[in-house]
Amino acid sequence: RKEVEQDPGPFNVPEGATVAFNCTYSNSASQSFFWYRQDCRKEPKLLMSVYSSGNEDGRFTAQLNRASQYISLLIRDSKLSDSATYLCVVRGNNDMRFGAGTRLTVKP
Amino acid sequence: NAGVTQTPKFRILKIGQSMTLQCTQDMNHNYMYWYRQDPGMGLKLIYYSVGAGITDKGEVPNGYNVSRSTTEDFPLRLELAAPSQTSVYFCASSYDTGPPSAFGDGTRLSIL
Repeated sequence: RKEVEQDPGPFNVPEGATVAFNCTYSNSASQSFFWYRQDCRKEPKLLMSVYSSGNEDGRFTAQLNRASQYISLLIRDSKLSDSATYLCVVRGNNDMRFGAGTRLTVKP
Repeated sequence: NAGVTQTPKFRILKIGQSMTLQCTQDMNHNYMYWYRQDPGMGLKLIYYSVGAGITDKGEVPNGYNVSRSTTEDFPLRLELAAPSQTSVYFCASSYDTGPPSAFGDGTRLSIL
């Protein structure tokens, strides 16, 4: 089993749709969790951290379920500019492990 | 406001050649990371460092070496380039145990 696994993409959604991605992790001792977005041929950029109680940042909501060892990202009212690959990141002791990413395309 | 600077941006190597990918950051970050990203894949951790003089292996360290003689610099060395090392390499940094907050633009490396 991979350390960090994400929903296989791609997700193609219309503008205004709500879309959710999941990410599972295998190491129960993982300490912290993050979502990054990566545009085509660009470097990843930190989108948001994921807190135990769940957290929102505008149209984006992140949740953590430690018991089932997964995190999720919900995007409401999708915009064309949300088209990107979303990477889930899990921190162990000192290192960061990235998922393979879920590709999202938002269409007019 | 440079952030993380990687050089070169592109490089083509022949099998068996060696090279060093340079990475420097000007944010006084303690943690630095090297990742590789193969097409359609996530980032895989090669090596990381929690401070000057300290380096540790990540998921895929074979064929690579690093050093961290200063806080600013974290070069990645390929000694005997192999086609399997064709990839995009990203250097990243963070102040402490937080997530990498800064990435370099990446180095696109092809080994033929």
